Amino acid sequence: DIQMTQSPSSLPASLGERVTISCRASQGISNNLNWYQQKPDGTIKPLIYYTSNLQSGVPSRFSGSGSGTDYSLTISRLEPEDFAMYYCQQDASFPNTFGAGTKLELK
Amino acid sequence: EVQLVESGGGLVQPGRSLKLSCAASGFTFSNYYMAWVRQAPKKGLEWVATISTSGSRTYYPDSVKGRFTISRDNAKSSLYLQMNSLKSEDTATYYCALLRTHFDYWGQGVMVTVSS
Repeated sequence: DIQMTQSPSSLPASLGERVTISCRASQGISNNLNWYQQKPDGTIKPLIYYTSNLQSGVPSRFSGSGSGTDYSLTISRLEPEDFAMYYCQQDASFPNTFGAGTKLELK
Repeated sequence: EVQLVESGGGLVQPGRSLKLSCAASGFTFSNYYMAWVRQAPKKGLEWVATISTSGSRTYYPDSVKGRFTISRDNAKSSLYLQMNSLKSEDTATYYCALLRTHFDYWGQGVMVTVSS
């Protein structure tokens, strides 16, 4: 199974700040990497798919990059609604696996 | 508008069975793979099952293989998860998801608690 190591697990940040969340796969996943946001009420929505493709309706302040085993999600200027949990997920092979999550918190 | 509405959750004793349902609307259900993803309390997300458009192909992680069965009824635009031999570690919120290039849309989730 491919293990996904996400960091940091917790990220205190301020409004307007630029932040980056990292995700490392235990083996190459050929850009088959997606990012999801989960709000405190449990609502989950996709943000980025196939490394860098922005989901329809997601603000352009979100971006993704990476290759091989290393990937990242960047939020250019934090807005109040961005404080949530973020998960990476690989779908290069079964079982699809998720990172452990990053909690983006208001500093 | 895509909508996925899960139902069938609740409290069940270890070793017993439970069947979850997911009612889909707002898209042509029969054209897409579907999946279940779960989240144990205070934990991360775990993929549980995926099913092909016709239902002829199914995929599971080892943690549920042989105990859980994903199925679908395209005429009813419905997805199901039959869960047998339930264990305490199956306690989680179960999400139904539309799978295109990724888990494109998610339901609100349904809670399953396995406890005596």
